[in-house]
Amino acid sequence: AQKVTQAQTEISVVEKEDVTLDCVYETRDTTYYLFWYKQPPSGELVFLIRRNSFDEQNEISGRYSWNFQKSTSSFNFTITASQVVDSAVYFCALNADRETGRRALTFGSGTRLQVQP
Amino acid sequence: NAGVTQTPKFRILKIGQSMTLQCTQDMNHNYMYWYRQDPGMGLKLIYYSVGAGITDKGEVPNGYNVSRSTTEDFPLRLELAAPSQTSVYFCASSPDRAAYNEQFFGPGTRLTVL
Repeated sequence: AQKVTQAQTEISVVEKEDVTLDCVYETRDTTYYLFWYKQPPSGELVFLIRRNSFDEQNEISGRYSWNFQKSTSSFNFTITASQVVDSAVYFCALNADRETGRRALTFGSGTRLQVQP
Repeated sequence: NAGVTQTPKFRILKIGQSMTLQCTQDMNHNYMYWYRQDPGMGLKLIYYSVGAGITDKGEVPNGYNVSRSTTEDFPLRLELAAPSQTSVYFCASSPDRAAYNEQFFGPGTRLTVL
């Protein structure tokens, strides 16, 4: 069965610190897609990034970067020089091609990031 | 382009009452989903639909029903509300079956059952 584990329930940092959010996934499929979503205090879900299982290249977008390692089934998210506006709950999610047949996302339980000024 | 809209934003129900959560998307997406988010947890799939007239159960379907008579609308019905259904409900859509598709989420409905 598909599973996503975000072991860090809550992280608190001071502004300008770097922070890494961990995500470990399980799937039997060889083709799958990993996602990160941000849920700010207002409650909506904001798409951040998608990565497919064949592309292990790291990605950087401004202060955000993602490290995908198939060997350890991890897809970690790093925020460099954190800002108060980064305070949110961050979800890692998995969509496997065939395992469930539902084409729906399997979410981790989320990591709440608090950035203190 | 409004994207995915949900009504109501908030609702309080008494045990045993029924209600329908509305979801509409204007992106002509075939796939639609209902998730629930319990406090401190990730989202869990309740039901999904691959097109008008076709629905199927997700991970936690008990206590809910859905219908999909049009591409745009995917209402979620709660019959005999129970305190365990207190949650935030998100509707989402995606264009087709490809697993790489980003899902577009509505703003959520916060439901409390007392």
